[in-house]
Amino acid sequence: DAGITQSPRHKVTETGTPVTLRCHQTENHRYMYWYRQDPGHGLRLIHYSYGVKDTDKGEVSDGYSVSRSKTEDFLLTLESATSSQTSVYFCAITVGADYEQYFGPGTRLTVT
Amino acid sequence: AQKVTQAQTEISVVEKEDVTLDCVYETRDTTYYLFWYKQPPSGELVFLIRRNSFDEQNEISGRYSWNFQKSTSSFNFTITASQVVDSAVYFCALSEVTRGRDDKIIFGKGTRLHILP
Repeated sequence: DAGITQSPRHKVTETGTPVTLRCHQTENHRYMYWYRQDPGHGLRLIHYSYGVKDTDKGEVSDGYSVSRSKTEDFLLTLESATSSQTSVYFCAITVGADYEQYFGPGTRLTVT
Repeated sequence: AQKVTQAQTEISVVEKEDVTLDCVYETRDTTYYLFWYKQPPSGELVFLIRRNSFDEQNEISGRYSWNFQKSTSSFNFTITASQVVDSAVYFCALSEVTRGRDDKIIFGKGTRLHILP
C-alpha cells in the first residue's frame, strides 16, 4: 500500500459538465500520473507530474487538464465531459530509486 | 517510439498447468525499465516486477518467473502450477529513462488469464 487514494470512486455525470477527479498521496512522492483504462486499450497515460506546478502531457491528453498545487494532490479535470471519456481512471506514483510505480484504487466515471 | 505488444488477448488453462504470458517491446533507448502488473477481478493494479535493461538475469518469485531476453526484445512471464487465484488481467509495461527525469510508462493491452478449476 503506497498510500494513494482517489476520489470519488464512482461518478455519473452528464455530457458537457465539468468533472474533477482527485488523487491524494500521503508519502510525499514527487512523481504522479493519471491513466485511463478502456477495454482493448490497456492503460493509457493522460498527464503526469514531476512535482508541484510541473506537469506534462501523455498520449491521450486532449479534453483533460491537470493541476498540482501541493505535492500530495494531483487533480484531473474534464472541462466538458463527453461520452468518450467514460472510463476507469487510475492515479499512480513512482516510488524510490527502484522506480516502482504503484496505482490508486481507480475511479469509475460514466458520462451519460 | 516505445511500444509494448501482448499478442495473447486471452488465455485459459486448467489449474496446476504452467502458463507463459508473452511480452514483446520496442524502444530506441539502451536504458529502460520493464514491468509486469496484475489486475485481479476486483480491479486494482498490483505491481509484480521491475527489471532494468542492464539486468538480463531471469527472476523467480515463488511460482512466478520472468525471462528477459534483449536479443528478442521479450520479457515473458511464467506462472508455474497455476491456481484459480491467478485469474486476472496481466499487463506488461515499458519505460524509457531520459534526461534524468522519470519517463512515462507505456502499457501493453493486457492478457486476460483464466485458470479453470
